[in-house]
Amino acid sequence: LAKTTQPISMDSYEGQEVNITCSHNNIATNDYITWYQQFPSQGPRFIIQGYKTKVTNEVASLFIPADRKSSTLSLPRVSLSDTAVYYCLVGGSGSARQLTFGSGTQLTVLP
Amino acid sequence: ETGVTQTPRHLVMGMTNKKSLKCEQHLGHNAMYWYKQSAKKPLELMFVYSLEERVENNSVPSRFSPECPNSSHLFLHLHTLQPEDSALYLCASTYSVNTEAFFGQGTRLTVV
Repeated sequence: LAKTTQPISMDSYEGQEVNITCSHNNIATNDYITWYQQFPSQGPRFIIQGYKTKVTNEVASLFIPADRKSSTLSLPRVSLSDTAVYYCLVGGSGSARQLTFGSGTQLTVLP
Repeated sequence: ETGVTQTPRHLVMGMTNKKSLKCEQHLGHNAMYWYKQSAKKPLELMFVYSLEERVENNSVPSRFSPECPNSSHLFLHLHTLQPEDSALYLCASTYSVNTEAFFGQGTRLTVV
């Protein structure tokens, strides 16, 4: 199971673009990279998933370099409501353990 | 609404009580999960059921007992809990083990 490393916390201001990077040096060939968002006292919510290059949806973009040893979640023009913990998960080899969460990144958006 | 419903939302129980947490999904998913999240800590994966068969048990104490009678329902039976078991218990489901997970709102458990 690929281990992930993320910054513990980040601060940003409203309207700015936020990039959160996750390192996963021992990612396996068939692993996907998935990001979740969690607000206090709620269950995590799926944000985006990718395998390589770039994925974009209505909420975020995910950038994955060719070696796939890291990934960057990009949140455009954040607002106060984006303050949450963001988790990077790596898995998809068929094991249910791919839903193992690390410590995540606490993003605080300031006015 | 995520399509995953947990009941009750809040539960206070004494250390000698027996209670059960319930999780229900009608998304057609085939895998269901129980997580524990203590204050300001990451989620801890407790149990996984895939196609109604338990496939993962991360050395959770026996005072927690899961049950999955069918692919839509998951229970967590609790007995003789300790105060340190107080936490947010989250249920999740996925169509398969490598697809998007949908989480319930959780049960806030307090053991007194």
